[in-house]
Amino acid sequence: EPEVTQTPSHQVTQMGQEVILRCVPISNHLYFYWYRQILGQKVEFLVSFYNNEISEKSEIFDDQFSVERPDGSNFTLKIRSTKLEDSAMYFCASGKMDTQYFGPGTRLTVL
Amino acid sequence: QKEVEQDPGPLSVPEGAIVSLNCTYSNSAFQYFMWYRQYSRKGPELLMYTYSSGNKEDGRFTAQVDKSSKYISLFIRDSQPSDSATYLCAMSALTGTASKLTFGTGTRLQVTL
Repeated sequence: EPEVTQTPSHQVTQMGQEVILRCVPISNHLYFYWYRQILGQKVEFLVSFYNNEISEKSEIFDDQFSVERPDGSNFTLKIRSTKLEDSAMYFCASGKMDTQYFGPGTRLTVL
Repeated sequence: QKEVEQDPGPLSVPEGAIVSLNCTYSNSAFQYFMWYRQYSRKGPELLMYTYSSGNKEDGRFTAQVDKSSKYISLFIRDSQPSDSATYLCAMSALTGTASKLTFGTGTRLQVTL
């Protein structure tokens, strides 16, 4: 059964550094998403992406965040200048309009 | 008032029990309702989804939606220790393109031997 995959599983970075989180969505899906989950808190929507452009973004998704689908299979989330409060699990999801399948997540730790 | 409310638990039941997990919501625009299971430090795994009021059954799982009361439930029959996880309700509005999910906080379930 096809799955969403994410790399790396764990990323440790210094405050102010740039990180790129990578995702390979399920191949026949058209909609792509990033969510994050701060430890002990609920899963929060960051951004959705369809037809090579952002469909919707949350207020969390400010100018330090960007998404890209560089080659038709990968889907990336870039955080330009990380802050301590960016430490969280970041989940990629892909799907059709009414269902979303999540990857295993990347745990980002900002020191 | 939060958009989606879910009792965080923990909920502890003996093996074989019927489990009832619930969420309420305030946004009447929500049309799609999902239940995810999340093991510790893993990604949410889609269990059930529905978009209409009523019941939907899949094996030991039954999802129930009451749009008039803005209330959804997940029932697990013959619960097993492997069902021990956090159960997340999630919902979305039909927007015509990619629809973001709004999650509850999750209910932690422990099924004991």
